[in-house]
Amino acid sequence: GQQVMQIPQYQHVQEGEDFTTYCNSSTTLSNIQWYKQRPGGHPVFLIQLVKSGEVKKQKRLTFQFGEAKKNSSLHITATQTTDVGTYFCAETKGRDDKIIFGKGTRLHILP
Amino acid sequence: DSGVTQTPKHLITATGQRVTLRCSPRSGDLSVYWYQQSLDQGLQFLIQYYNGEERAKGNILERFSAQQFPDLHSELNLSSLELGDSALYFCASSVEGKNEQFFGPGTRLTVL
Repeated sequence: GQQVMQIPQYQHVQEGEDFTTYCNSSTTLSNIQWYKQRPGGHPVFLIQLVKSGEVKKQKRLTFQFGEAKKNSSLHITATQTTDVGTYFCAETKGRDDKIIFGKGTRLHILP
Repeated sequence: DSGVTQTPKHLITATGQRVTLRCSPRSGDLSVYWYQQSLDQGLQFLIQYYNGEERAKGNILERFSAQQFPDLHSELNLSSLELGDSALYFCASSVEGKNEQFFGPGTRLTVL
């Protein structure tokens, strides 16, 4: 069935280092949403990308949608302890708004 | 605070039992979604309701059912509970035409 694959599953980085998570699909994505879930918390919407090659920035976070709309990435520059959590990508597809989440990338920051 | 409320926060029950989880969406949101999140697992989409009608179905077991009431709150019913049903259950709501979902704090279900 349709699915979005996220890599890596886990990532440990030193505070101040950069971090990137990738979301890949074998089929063309209609759109991609990114969510962040802090430990013990609930997912919080970060951004949506819709256009081929789209790039959006939120402070230290940069989101990209591939030219072929089959992949997306989230890059965090100079990570901080507040960036700890799991980052999920998701696609909302179809007239019925069915949403498929990736398994997420868990980011751990080493002080 | 997302504006989505869920009750109860925690639920501990035994195998074979039945429970009901409740969700109130953000004011004005007509769509409600239910998700299951097990330990170290991603978010498994269960079901979506829009203005009282079922709109999309995901990996929802036959032992599970849901409904959305005229006041737009929703309930997820889990029956014949098994140990493997222990998980966090999230509800989310969204505005018509927008993919951004607002998640509630979740209900942690423990089946002993």
